[in-house]
Formats: sequence, structure tokens, C-alpha cells
Amino acid sequence: KNEVEQSPQNLTAQEGEFITINCSYSVGISALHWLQQHPGGGIVSLFMLSSGKKKHGRLIATINIQEKHSSLHITASHPRDSAVYICAVRRGTGNQFYFGTGTSLTVIP
Amino acid sequence: DTEVTQTPKHLVMGMTNKKSLKCEQHMGHRAMYWYKQKAKKPPELMFVYSYEKLSINESVPSRFSPECPNSSLSNLHLHALQPEDSALYLCASSQSGRSYGELFFGEGSRLTVL
Repeated sequence: KNEVEQSPQNLTAQEGEFITINCSYSVGISALHWLQQHPGGGIVSLFMLSSGKKKHGRLIATINIQEKHSSLHITASHPRDSAVYICAVRRGTGNQFYFGTGTSLTVIP
Repeated sequence: DTEVTQTPKHLVMGMTNKKSLKCEQHMGHRAMYWYKQKAKKPPELMFVYSYEKLSINESVPSRFSPECPNSSLSNLHLHALQPEDSALYLCASSQSGRSYGELFFGEGSRLTVL
């Protein structure tokens, strides 16, 4: 069983829709990262969370430490949001990150 | 400067060739990572350097040989690779020992082994 599970695996949305991607983890963590990867491209860090909620533009990330769960929300989705979104967690101060399998998002105009 | 720079972006090599991938960062990060990523899969950890010392080697075959000659640079040397080694090789860096250190990735080096 993966330490980090994401859902859904694939998601198709119409432009303008509100999108939620979920991440659950089974280990104690010091931080959770949301990452974005466009097709054929490198990975960009969107958020790093250890508690609460963060917002950048149309993206919102929340984390519930007690429930070991995080969500990434995209408001007013746009075709340029089409990418794979990956949840990764870091345990303690170690240099080991555990990755979810990613959620492939396609936003249709 | 919040960049991790990887070169080359694309590399095609034969199974008998020797080549190297390069990764540089100038953010003062003391942890550097190498990941292998196959299509539609999450990155798989290969190596971690912490303070220029190899701290994690995820049972990677010896045909992959990493080095970290200084805190800003890591190389991944490739020799006698197999076609199944074709993948996107990603380098990342973070502050070592800081649990809240953000992870920065390079654009990757796309390797094709013929």
C-alpha cells in the first residue's frame, strides 16, 4: 500500500468549473507538498503545507493533520490548468519524500 | 535565484556510451535528489545527497553513478545503460534537515537509450 493516496486518478472538467483533488497519507509528516507537472515538463512546487490553508491566485490548498488528509482546489478552472497534480509528503527532518501517483487533470474549453 | 538547472534537456545514447547529466542550484540548498520518471508515473527516488554525502541510494543499478563535488552541483554518470532506462531524469533540491524546506525541481533531462 502506498503511503500517499490521491483521488481521483483522472479528472476532466469544463472551463470555469471548481475542481477538488484529494490526498490521504498514512504516515506522520512534517510537511505536505502539492506539485504540478505539465505534459513532458518538469515539476513545479505549488504549495508546501504543515497546517491550515494556503491560497495562491485561483489555487487553494488545505490540510487536516488529525485526519491525515489534504485537498487542492482550483476555482474557475482554465485549460492552462491541465496538468498532473502530485501530492508529496515529507517525514520529519529527513530527506525522504513520498509521492502520490498523481491526478491527471484536463480542462476543456 | 530559485532555479534548479539541468543539462542536457534531451540525450540520446547507445548502450555502450558513457554520458553524464548535470544539475546545478544556487539557493544554498544542502540536499540534492535524483529521480527517475516514466511516462504517466510519479517520480521514483534514485539518490539523495545531504551535505555532499550520499545519504540515500534506492538500490539503483551501478550503471548509474552519482556524484556531488560541491554543494551547488550534482552529476549523474551513465554507463552501459539499457533501453528500459529511457525516462525523464529529474533533479531536485531542498534545505537539508529542515522539515519545512520546499522542494525545487529542475525541468529534467529526457534520456533515450537505443
